[in-house]
Amino acid sequence: RKEVEQDPGPFNVPEGATVAFNCTYSNSASQSFFWYRQDCRKEPKLLMSVYSSGNEDGRFTAQLNRASQYISLLIRDSKLSDSATYLCVVNGGNNDMRFGAGTRLTVKP
Amino acid sequence: EAGVVQSPRYKIIEKKQPVAFWCNPISGHNTLYWYRQNLGQGPELLIRYENEEAVDDSQLPKDRFSAERLKGVDSTLKIQPAELGDSAVYLCASRRRGASTDTQYFGPGTRLTVL
Repeated sequence: RKEVEQDPGPFNVPEGATVAFNCTYSNSASQSFFWYRQDCRKEPKLLMSVYSSGNEDGRFTAQLNRASQYISLLIRDSKLSDSATYLCVVNGGNNDMRFGAGTRLTVKP
Repeated sequence: EAGVVQSPRYKIIEKKQPVAFWCNPISGHNTLYWYRQNLGQGPELLIRYENEEAVDDSQLPKDRFSAERLKGVDSTLKIQPAELGDSAVYLCASRRRGASTDTQYFGPGTRLTVL
């Protein structure tokens, strides 16, 4: 079993749609969690950290459920520019950052 | 602040040839990571340094891969000899060793093609 698993996707949604991505992790001692965004042929870049109480940044909402070892990312009112691959990242402790395989999103007009 | 610098950006070699990648992390970042990313996959950790010490190299194929970070700043990743399956993007990332919520910053990567 992989340490970090994500919805395989791809997700193809129309502009304005709401889309949710899920991620599970196997290491119960994991300390911190992140969502990264990666555009085609570019490096991953931080989208947002995920806090225990859940957090929101504009149209993006991240949730963490430690009991179920589950992280989610919700994107509301999708824009064409949201098309990218979304990577779930888990810090297993001591700077051990592990990535999921990524979920590809395409937002269509 | 300058970001993570990697070179070269692209490299094409024939199998069995050696190749080396260089990374200069963000100033003050103690932790340095090398990842390999295959098409359609997430980055896979090859090696992680805390200053000059390799603290996690369990995923590094040691028969052909080597890495160093002699002064705890720049790092070099080497493959010798390269195989067809080594074609991938090699990403370097750095992170400040502070709170667990500190994030990584990635360089642009080196795209390696082995013919």
